[in-house]
Amino acid sequence: NAGVTQTPKFQVLKTGQSMTLQCAQDMNHEYMSWYRQDPGMGLRLIHYSVGAGITDQGEVPNGYNVSRSTTEDFPLRLLSAAPSQTSVYFCASSYIQSSYNSPLHFGNGTRLTVT
Amino acid sequence: AQKVTQAQTEISVVEKEDVTLDCVYETRDTTYYLFWYKQPPSGELVFLIRRNSFDEQNEISGRYSWNFQKSTSSFNFTITASQVVDSAVYFCALSEAIKAAGNKLTFGGGTRVLVKP
Repeated sequence: NAGVTQTPKFQVLKTGQSMTLQCAQDMNHEYMSWYRQDPGMGLRLIHYSVGAGITDQGEVPNGYNVSRSTTEDFPLRLLSAAPSQTSVYFCASSYIQSSYNSPLHFGNGTRLTVT
Repeated sequence: AQKVTQAQTEISVVEKEDVTLDCVYETRDTTYYLFWYKQPPSGELVFLIRRNSFDEQNEISGRYSWNFQKSTSSFNFTITASQVVDSAVYFCALSEAIKAAGNKLTFGGGTRVLVKP
């Protein structure tokens, strides 16, 4: 099983450039999400989706766009990169269950540097 | 709003010592879920345990144990007889128990554990 696959693993951008971080899962999970990890701040939720065609904002959505056209894919777009977006980005997915929440399965992360 | 606080930013111990990681949370929900994740130096996030707010039974799994106390809003984690391989950042997290919200987790800032040989 591939699980949650993120590409690329590393990326360097110049201020103002755009790019898309890719995330794909092969577990048929309804729920997918993007987090960013910054030193001392843990992981903060950027955007999430509870199914194809449905997305919503998390704690820190500004500067990021998402879409969910299929169950498997949940790309994260940076329209105009800023140095404040230098971070490690994690994609995560899980089932949505009525009785209890299943744990999130995380990708291996994308380390993004904006100069 | 939900909040998770891990007051210990870094803990350093010598191998075979026990280490306890503190986690305090805030939520207005009556039903919620608590998690611990481990992030080793390689960077991936590894799920360790999940607890729901109705289950205050403490658990031991090998060298790991968890102490959930709803009265003090704490969900502490202990590693017994620590090993060098336990060196990692440990995150406590809290989620809502609302199906429509999916699995939105609020994470604490993490505690870095360094186990010296």
